[in-house]
Amino acid sequence: ETGVTQTPRHLVMGMTNKKSLKCEQHLGHNAMYWYKQSAKKPLELMFVYNFKEQTENNSVPSRFSPECPNSSHLFLHLHTLQPEDSALYLCASSQDGQRDNEQFFGPGTRLTVL
Amino acid sequence: QKEVEQNSGPLSVPEGAIASLNCTYSDRGSQSFFWYRQYSGKSPELIMSIYSNGDKEDGRFTAQLNKASQYVSLLIRDSQPSDSATYLCAVNGVNTGKLIFGQGTTLQVKP
Repeated sequence: ETGVTQTPRHLVMGMTNKKSLKCEQHLGHNAMYWYKQSAKKPLELMFVYNFKEQTENNSVPSRFSPECPNSSHLFLHLHTLQPEDSALYLCASSQDGQRDNEQFFGPGTRLTVL
Repeated sequence: QKEVEQNSGPLSVPEGAIASLNCTYSDRGSQSFFWYRQYSGKSPELIMSIYSNGDKEDGRFTAQLNKASQYVSLLIRDSQPSDSATYLCAVNGVNTGKLIFGQGTTLQVKP
């Protein structure tokens, strides 16, 4: 768990707020991912960054805005969210974005939108 | 048809028994297969990866892959109450880092 860290661990925000989630990986990996996990649903891939370049946007609404300044850091900027966006947001990293790479997850941010 | 299918369970086994968790996938070209364990309120933890047909053993865990049948399983020998968790099957598509997850199987190991 310490290989990938996420802050904050818990976040409560109103629909008009702007907040950011932060992820940092200490594994020397080059690919980073954002996932959403809602109750009773499979993990949903949101975004993929490989060597700081976004390679996947899985039809995510524009109220979620990712940022990857370098291979170790990943942000998810949130604005005008909806209550149905309440979920566990997970960051993961892998050696690179190729097919055989194992992904390692951070502890997640539990987001509640009021 | 879901891309990765798992029985949601719960699967209940007595302590010391073998727990068998199953997963099927739809993309015949998939090359990489992973099992993650997720305790309630925690994030997924990688426990096994398998890339070739056959069995791969790691301690009490054995992953089994049959690409012809598009089937991957996880066996847990000598199940312990601490093994009680949700087990997620994940499959990589061809030439992509995109992992597709199943909905997970909840395992309950009863003392």
